[in-house]
Amino acid sequence: NAGVMQNPRHLVRRRGQEARLRCSPMKGHSHVYWYRQLPEEGLKFMVYLQKENIIDESGMPKERFSAEFPKEGPSILRIQQVVRGDSAAYFCASSPGLWETQYFGPGTRLLVL
Amino acid sequence: RKEVEQDPGPFNVPEGATVAFNCTYSNSASQSFFWYRQDCRKEPKLLMSVYSSGNEDGRFTAQLNRASQYISLLIRDSKLSDSATYLCVVNNAGNMLTFGGGTRLMVKP
Repeated sequence: NAGVMQNPRHLVRRRGQEARLRCSPMKGHSHVYWYRQLPEEGLKFMVYLQKENIIDESGMPKERFSAEFPKEGPSILRIQQVVRGDSAAYFCASSPGLWETQYFGPGTRLLVL
Repeated sequence: RKEVEQDPGPFNVPEGATVAFNCTYSNSASQSFFWYRQDCRKEPKLLMSVYSSGNEDGRFTAQLNRASQYISLLIRDSKLSDSATYLCVVNNAGNMLTFGGGTRLMVKP
């Protein structure tokens, strides 16, 4: 049973470009979560999604960030017009249901030049 | 005040030592509790869930004190491979994990 998959593992963007991060949950998991870890800091919740629905986006920055989890395909975290402060590790997690253990993917490390 | 607080360390211990980490949380409505382990530049991995009755998994023992809002992790007979950052994690709302800043452990030969 493959774990949570994320790609790309590393992404370099110049200021003003767009970043698209992908996450495929574990088989049988319908709940997806995105977390961000800034350098030398702890992980912070960004958004929680189920298929075709954003359930909780209380941790998402108000501008430039969006997330989706379409009926088919992976969940996407999209960052428009990236700035240097967006440089971080972005981790996706999945679980089979609420209150159940969340399993993390290997993360995407975004570097904005 | 941070919602989940941990001593950042580092804790430098020799192989075979016993080491304990503590964590406090501020939300009295928190429902579930975990210790995750994070190796350098890797993803967090679940070490163990934490229950009010306390639980043990091999060399690892976790305790939860709801009255004091305090969680602990005890590692016995430390191994070099235990070197990592240990994350205290609380689930308040069913969907959002709140992480402490982590406690760094370095086990030396």
